[in-house]
Amino acid sequence: GAVVSQHPSRVICKSGTSVKIECRSLDFQATTMFWYRQFPKKSLMLMATSNEGSKATYEQGVEKDKFLINHASLTLSTLTVTSAHPEDSSFYICSAPLAAEQFFGPGTRLTVL
Amino acid sequence: AQSVSQHNHHVILSEAASLELGCNYSYGGTVNLFWYVQYPGQHLQLLLKYFSGDPLVKGIKGFEAEFIKSKFSFNLRKPSVQWSDTAEYFCAVNAGFQKLVFGTGTRLLVSP
Repeated sequence: GAVVSQHPSRVICKSGTSVKIECRSLDFQATTMFWYRQFPKKSLMLMATSNEGSKATYEQGVEKDKFLINHASLTLSTLTVTSAHPEDSSFYICSAPLAAEQFFGPGTRLTVL
Repeated sequence: AQSVSQHNHHVILSEAASLELGCNYSYGGTVNLFWYVQYPGQHLQLLLKYFSGDPLVKGIKGFEAEFIKSKFSFNLRKPSVQWSDTAEYFCAVNAGFQKLVFGTGTRLLVSP
């Protein structure tokens, strides 16, 4: 099956710094990718749709200036958490569609101290 | 707005017991429905999906789900669980433009 990777798998940062998370489709191209956030013991919440060559589409309540998304190529989307705060600590997961199926990355655990 | 509810947050079963996990969705249009599984420390993986046709869908690892349109349900079943089925299970509905809306998940623990 198709493979989606994320980097880094874990990151710890200080409050106020920015963190970049990469999502790559390894063996297929994706004009669209999705970014989710998973809270402890809760479900995945869709944050935004990343679109290659155009602006990302954010879900209601997600701050676009806080969570910057760039879809640099057909195989790479990045999520930058700007001026991170402890409440941004979470598990971030990306996905990319292929043939009506979504393939998920392994996730990135962000801890903001 | 679309929503998905999973009734069981935690389920504990012994090996060989039968499993049924409930999933109800709220969406007025044509639905595509999914069950995903997340084994400890691993990616989300697709178990099975329903797009159209036979409402009884068979997936990997002996899982199946039945789409009942009148009940807005898509319950997951397995006749006999194994220890290796210990994982978290998520029901999801396609909310259009390939976006998925997930339920809160059910954590299944199968004791040997």
